[in-house]
Order: sequence, then C-alpha cells, then structure tokens
Amino acid sequence: QVQLVQSGAEVREPGASVKVSCKASGYTFTGYYIHWVRQAPGQGLEWMGWINPNSGDTNYAQKFQGRVTMTRDTSISTAYMELRRLRYDDTAVYYCARDWNLDYWGQGTLVTVSS
Amino acid sequence: DIQMTQSPSSLSASVGDRVTITCRASQGISNYLAWYQQKPGKVPKLLIYAASTLQSGVPSRFSGSGSGTDFTLTISSLQPEDVATYYCQKYNSAPITFGPGTKVDIK
Repeated sequence: QVQLVQSGAEVREPGASVKVSCKASGYTFTGYYIHWVRQAPGQGLEWMGWINPNSGDTNYAQKFQGRVTMTRDTSISTAYMELRRLRYDDTAVYYCARDWNLDYWGQGTLVTVSS
Repeated sequence: DIQMTQSPSSLSASVGDRVTITCRASQGISNYLAWYQQKPGKVPKLLIYAASTLQSGVPSRFSGSGSGTDFTLTISSLQPEDVATYYCQKYNSAPITFGPGTKVDIK
C-alpha cells in the first residue's frame, strides 16, 4: 500500500533552517510528483511547491522562493524539504503529498519556531 | 494567480440533512478541482478529484459537480463522522491553490 512517512517534530530558533524528509513506499517513487503543503495552527492549507522525483525539477510558490529547497534521493525513495531563515510564523505542520490531486499524504511534521 | 473561494465558511446541519458547499475559481480551471476532508487533528483526506470522481473508499453520500469556475461538494445525508473542515483545491497548474475551507458540524 502507498505510504509516505515523514520525519519527526522539530524545534528551531528564528533564523535557523529545518529539513523535513518524506519516505515513499508502495509505489514507483519516480512516477509521481511530490508536493509540500503546510498548515499553521488553526489555519488552512498552504501549498509550498513540488518536486519531480524523476528529473529533480522543482517549482516553488512565490512566497517561499529563496528560502525553500526541495530535493530527493531516488536510491531511498525519499523527498526532502528544507526551509531556511525560519521565522515565528513558519510554525506549522508540514505535509508531503503525492501527485497533483494529493491522493496520499504523509502524517505531517510539526516545526516549531521558538526562541 | 488563480484564487479559490468557498461558501459558506461554516455551517451547522442535522444528521440526515443534505449539505452543499460551493467553491469558485477566479479563472476557469476546467475540471482540475479536488475536495479534501480534514477532521480535527488529522491529515487531510482526498474525497473527490477531477471535480466529480469519487476517490476509492469514500462513501457514496459524497459527490462533486461543476466545471470551469463553479463547483459544488454535496453530502447527501450528513452523518456524525462527517464533522470536519472541507477544502477545495485547484490543480490545473502551479501554483496549487486551496480554498479557505468550510467547517461543518452537527446541529
């Protein structure tokens, strides 16, 4: 069965960076885009960007350009999202999800930005 | 960028009621529209894609319709387990955009 398993919760200080992983199983990793979506506490869903695991091509939401990098390691079917220069309002649950209609989601990774 | 709006922002209905949520795109998106259900503290779940195709395993009381700019999600007979926030999402091209959500609870 399709599964996306994300890395655990992180706490970072403002200005630091965080890298979240998303390990895929149960399907051909290179066959489907991986999208990253975040949700701040009590707020809605916000798309951050996608990576094509086959080519490594990426597309980032304008809001995050310059601060986010999405990568992948096809040898271990894992996608990564790194967010730099963290701010307090980056505190959120970060999700990876498969394909354009986000048919499978990871369990979410809580990133807390706190001094 | 294409903006997505939803109405109402919240609703309260009785068990067994028919519930309709509307989603509107600021430009035409053909049928590249999905609906998600998110229960409190849980991961969003895909209900419908391509505007009207029910995801496998989703109860048949959920249905979607529309094309272009106007879309609806209908719950034909509201059940207690349907208490959740529902989001529409357009995915015809980047950037993917979500609607602000509609919170559904039981009266």
